[in-house]
Amino acid sequence: GDSVTQMEGPVTLSEEAFLTINCTYTATGYPSLFWYVQYPGEGLQLLLKATKADDKGSNKGFEATYRKETTSFHLEKGSVQVSDSAVYFCALGTNAGKSTFGDGTTLTVKP
Amino acid sequence: NAGVTQTPKFQVLKTGQSMTLQCAQDMNHNSMYWYRQDPGMGLRLIYYSASEGTTDKGEVPNGYNVSRLNKREFSLRLESAAPSQTSVYFCASSGQGSGNTIYFGEGSWLTVV
Repeated sequence: GDSVTQMEGPVTLSEEAFLTINCTYTATGYPSLFWYVQYPGEGLQLLLKATKADDKGSNKGFEATYRKETTSFHLEKGSVQVSDSAVYFCALGTNAGKSTFGDGTTLTVKP
Repeated sequence: NAGVTQTPKFQVLKTGQSMTLQCAQDMNHNSMYWYRQDPGMGLRLIYYSASEGTTDKGEVPNGYNVSRLNKREFSLRLESAAPSQTSVYFCASSGQGSGNTIYFGEGSWLTVV
C-alpha cells in the first residue's frame, strides 16, 4: 500500500539556519505530493504541493521538488524564522481518494 | 471564509457516555474525512466519505460511527466512549482527484475520563 516516511523529529534550529526535512514515499501510480503545516492549537493547512514529477512547490520561502527517481519530496528553507516553529507533515494523494500522511516532524526555531 | 467548521472544540466525557462531533464544509467538496491525532502517532484516518451517501472505514474505525447527512455535513459519533478515545479529532474535506488539497477544521479536543 501507499506510505510516507519522513524524518523523525524533533528538529531544533537557530534563527536563520538552513532547514531540510526529508520525506520519501511509496505509491502505485502517479501520486501528488504535499507538505502541510500545523501551528500550535490549529488544524493542518497546506504549505505547498507538486502534482507531477520534477515539479517544484514553493510558498513562504519553503520549497520541495517532486523527485520520482528517488521517490522523495524533501522540504527546504534557506533561512528559518521563529515563526516557522510548527509540525510539518508530508503527504501523498492518489486518484483513489484517500491521502496518506507521514508522522509529522516538529520544528522549533530558537532566536 | 468559514471553510471546515467542527464542533465542539472541547469536550470532557465520562467512560460509557455517547457524543457526536459535528462537521460542516462550505466549499462544495465531495470528499470528507475524520482523523484523530495522538502524540507520536501522527494523523490516523477514522472514516471517510467520497461522496454524499457513501462512507468507508479508515485505519482506526472501531468504536466510531459516521453519518454523511448531506454534501455539507459529516458527523462522527462515539456510542460508548472509552479513555483510549481521548484525542484531538479533525474533520477535513477535499475535492476529488489526487492533486486536491485537503482542508482541515480547527480540531476538537476530547477527553474521556
